[in-house]
Amino acid sequence: AQSVTQLDSQVPVFEEAPVELRCNYSSSVSVYLFWYVQYPNQGLQLLLKYLSGSTLVKGINGFEAEFNKSQTSFHLRKPSVHISDTAEYFCAVSDIGNQFYFGTGTSLTVIP
Amino acid sequence: DTAVSQTPKYLVTQMGNDKSIKCEQNLGHDTMYWYKQDSKKFLKIMFSYNNKELIINETVPNRFSPKSPDKAHLNLHINSLELGDSAVYFCASSQGGVGAYEQYFGPGTRLTVT
Repeated sequence: AQSVTQLDSQVPVFEEAPVELRCNYSSSVSVYLFWYVQYPNQGLQLLLKYLSGSTLVKGINGFEAEFNKSQTSFHLRKPSVHISDTAEYFCAVSDIGNQFYFGTGTSLTVIP
Repeated sequence: DTAVSQTPKYLVTQMGNDKSIKCEQNLGHDTMYWYKQDSKKFLKIMFSYNNKELIINETVPNRFSPKSPDKAHLNLHINSLELGDSAVYFCASSQGGVGAYEQYFGPGTRLTVT
């Protein structure tokens, strides 16, 4: 079974500063990778996904992520954060066994 | 307009009661899911249905029973509620089975067992 590790449970960052949220997964077999965002008291919505092809994936709201197969990582980045980016961010992995695994989440707090 | 809807949004009940949470999606998706999110925000898949057929049934107590009357609906029935069942329950749907397809989530149902 896969495991998904989000190394930082909480990330505070000042407004307009860059941010990186880290995600590592356990298996190097073929996987699909996702980042979801959960705003307070809401459901999750997809930020971006990697299925194949270019390792740099661009998503909504200015976020991007880079797939690194050798390091089994899929880190999320944004060059300049806004107050509205304050939310919980989840990395998720789906493997060929058709199982879907979420990480434990990273709480991003943007400080004015 | 709501893609995935859940009712009720809040559910407060006492231990030992039986309750149901309803989920409907109007996206025409084939697959629906139930997730449990605990107080630490940890998300765990509970069930997945594809065209009304159960395809994922994670280790959950058999007090939890999903029911899919048609592919647009997946309800969750919980018998003999316990304090540890308190959580936020999310319904989701996707176009295909678990894998490469984006999942669309409902707004969640916050269940509090007293």
